[in-house]
Amino acid sequence: DIQMTQSPSTLSASVGDGVTITCRASQSISSWLAWYQQKPGKAPKLLIYLASSLQSGVPSRFSGSGSGTEFTLTISNLQPDDFATYYCQQYSSYSPYTFGQGTKLEIK
Amino acid sequence: EVQLVQSGAEVKKPGESLKISCKGSGYSFPNYWIGWVRQLPGRGLEWMGIIYPGDSDTRYSPSFRGQVTISADTSFSTAYLQWSSLKASDSAMYYCARLEALVAAHDYWGQGTLVTVSS
Repeated sequence: DIQMTQSPSTLSASVGDGVTITCRASQSISSWLAWYQQKPGKAPKLLIYLASSLQSGVPSRFSGSGSGTEFTLTISNLQPDDFATYYCQQYSSYSPYTFGQGTKLEIK
Repeated sequence: EVQLVQSGAEVKKPGESLKISCKGSGYSFPNYWIGWVRQLPGRGLEWMGIIYPGDSDTRYSPSFRGQVTISADTSFSTAYLQWSSLKASDSAMYYCARLEALVAAHDYWGQGTLVTVSS
């Protein structure tokens, strides 16, 4: 199985800051990576697909980059609505489409 | 409008069986994979498996193979997740999500079904 490791596990930031979350794959997954945002009590929401493509309706302050084994999600000019937990997920192989362990973005 | 609507919360006893559902609408249900994701209380997302309703091709995460059964009925545009004998450790929120193969991501999600297993 491909393992996905996110860092950091928790991140504290202020409104207006920029932050970066990293996701590393245990083997190359090309660009088969998505990023999701989850708020408490809600289903995850797709933000980025194919490592760097912005899902329709997602603000442009969200961006993704990377390929192979290292990927980043960057959020610029943090807004109050952005404080949530973020997950990466790889789609390189059928079994299984593993998630990272999550990064909780907290208000400083 | 694409929607995935899941069945309601369940409270069961250990050893009981359970089948929860995920009904798709607003798109061609047979032609999109549907995945299931578990979230234990206070924990992260775990991908359980996926089914292609058009031909019932099903793939399981090794962690969940043999523990659950994923199925689908195109007549009802509904996917299912079932257990034959629940354990307390199955208590969790379960989400279904559509896989958009063109973008290799789960683009629409159900609202979640909370399963509580307690004696």
